[in-house]
Amino acid sequence: GAVVSQHPSRVICKSGTSVKIECRSLDFQATTMFWYRQFPKQSLMLMATSNEGSKATYEQGVEKDKFLINHASLTLSTLTVTSAHPEDSSFYICSGQDQETQYFGPGTRLLVL
Amino acid sequence: DQQVKQNSPSLSVQEGRISILNCDYTNSMFDYFLWYKKYPAEGPTFLISISSIKDKNEDGRFTVFLNKSAKHLSLHIVPSQPGDSAVYFCAAQFTGANNLFFGTGTRLTVIP
Repeated sequence: GAVVSQHPSRVICKSGTSVKIECRSLDFQATTMFWYRQFPKQSLMLMATSNEGSKATYEQGVEKDKFLINHASLTLSTLTVTSAHPEDSSFYICSGQDQETQYFGPGTRLLVL
Repeated sequence: DQQVKQNSPSLSVQEGRISILNCDYTNSMFDYFLWYKKYPAEGPTFLISISSIKDKNEDGRFTVFLNKSAKHLSLHIVPSQPGDSAVYFCAAQFTGANNLFFGTGTRLTVIP
């Protein structure tokens, strides 16, 4: 199957700083990528849909100014958590769509102190 | 609001026996359902799917059953193997939309 990578896999930062997470499709071109978030004991929840060359579409309740998404190429989407706070601590996972199947990255665990 | 639910957080099965993982959903407009398997430190990988026009889809040891009237689907793995030990997520989708609605997952342990 297709491969999606994420970097970093784990990040710890101070409150108020910004964190950038990269999502790359390694062996396919993903015109659409998705960003999910998972809090402990909860399901993966879609945050936003990222389309190459256009603005991301955010789900209700997700602040677009706080979670900046850039999808500058067919193989790279980035999620920047701006002015991170402890409540942003979570597991962030991206996926790339190849034809009709979503392929997931391994995820990034963010801890904001 | 959790639209897709997996009420069993864990399941243990002896090797060679059948594993049955269950999933319920609340939105009758969902028309495509998927199962993903997730190993530690890896992302979910697609396993099997079923369209709402079917009630069964089989792929090797994996079979998914859909009961639309009960808004219930299940994944059967037979025979279960130790390598099947993982967290299994069910997900649901609307036609024409890319958004996946996930359950909270069930951790399957297959005991050798």
